[in-house]
Amino acid sequence: GENVEQHPSTLSVQEGDSAVIKCTYSDSASNYFPWYKQELGKRPQLIIDIRSNVGEKKDQRIAVTLNKTAKHFSLHITETQPEDSAVYFCAASRYGNKLVFGAGTILRVKS
Amino acid sequence: DTAVSQTPKYLVTQMGNDKSIKCEQNLGHDTMYWYKQDSKKFLKIMFSYNNKELIINETVPNRFSPKSPDKAHLNLHINSLELGDSAVYFCATSGGPGTGELFFGEGSRLTVL
Repeated sequence: GENVEQHPSTLSVQEGDSAVIKCTYSDSASNYFPWYKQELGKRPQLIIDIRSNVGEKKDQRIAVTLNKTAKHFSLHITETQPEDSAVYFCAASRYGNKLVFGAGTILRVKS
Repeated sequence: DTAVSQTPKYLVTQMGNDKSIKCEQNLGHDTMYWYKQDSKKFLKIMFSYNNKELIINETVPNRFSPKSPDKAHLNLHINSLELGDSAVYFCATSGGPGTGELFFGEGSRLTVL
């Protein structure tokens, strides 16, 4: 089955700096890669996703890149703000199959 | 009007007891899930139902029994609770199996003493 590894487990950045979180997946047939943000005590919420026919996707300060050959994808947050502090989860799935999550990255943005 | 609602939000109980968590969605989605989030924040799927039919049943002790009375509801019953069952349980929905965004409920924090 699918296995998703996520790094780093914790990340501290200064406000205004960029943050990058990386994930690798094992199932070469996986074709859907979402990222979820979970604020303290809240539910996970989708912030961006990418499908395997696309190499990069941007939405304002966040972007996701996908390298299918290497089976890894990354989340990039630019101009970080204190409200970006949260746990971020990557995930992967093959269409029609279950979503498998990475272990999460605790992002702290210091002001 | 909450899209995915769970009750109760907090549950504190003794080892050996039986408890249930309920989930209701008004999104009209076909697929509902139960996820368990442990103290290390790891999100692990437990069950998935599509149109009231069980389609995913992970390696979960048979003390856990899901039940979907209709497409809008998915309940989780846990028998003989153990300390290791303490976690946050999230209900989630999607338009279909693996078809995109998961919409999570607020979570139910279960503490077993």
